[in-house]
Amino acid sequence: DARVTQTPRHKVTEMGQEVTMRCQPILGHNTVFWYRQTMMQGLELLAYFRNRAPLDDSGMPKDRFSAEMPDATLATLKIQPSEPRDSAVYFCASALRDRSDYEQYFGPGTRLTVT
Amino acid sequence: AQSVTQLGSHVSVSEGALVLLRCNYSSSVPPYLFWYVQYPNQGLQLLLKYTTGATLVKGINGFEAEFKKSETSFHLTKPSAHMSDAAEYFCAVSNYGGSQGNLIFGKGTKLSVKP
Repeated sequence: DARVTQTPRHKVTEMGQEVTMRCQPILGHNTVFWYRQTMMQGLELLAYFRNRAPLDDSGMPKDRFSAEMPDATLATLKIQPSEPRDSAVYFCASALRDRSDYEQYFGPGTRLTVT
Repeated sequence: AQSVTQLGSHVSVSEGALVLLRCNYSSSVPPYLFWYVQYPNQGLQLLLKYTTGATLVKGINGFEAEFKKSETSFHLTKPSAHMSDAAEYFCAVSNYGGSQGNLIFGKGTKLSVKP
């Protein structure tokens, strides 16, 4: 049963600390998305990659957030320095194909709390 | 630009009653439409999708949705609610300018099922 995995599942950190979240997309999927979910804003697309290349990161605060795909099996989202307003659940999703009717498969999320 | 509006952030039904979750979209091109479900502390899971062809789409767990172009709607229904249907439901439209294919999500509707 192929699944998207995310680590850690929960992270509590102090303001100013660096946070790194990891995602392993489903093997063979060529597109990876990062979303943030909060009560106020709902689901927001932060960035996404196609064949490891960033296609759109306009949803990310550039000064503190960065997203990379070091290889096809790993995507990372980093926040440095973290702030309390970054507290949210961060989801990774992966998909196959270059057409728009493909399904996105979501990971279980990383719940981040910044104190 | 594409957008999705879900009417009602909370819907409560009795077990065995009809479930109706409303979704309206805005799109300048023929849309691809999706419903996702999120159970507590989990990622999103695809319920059903409309791309082309038959406008009545059947999904998992007895849910279905009908694409109505004239009403720009894609409402989700289930004839008889089960306790296990309690979750949050998200409608999404595909932004498929070029070959991008990222999803634009609505704010979500939380479904409660009363015994």
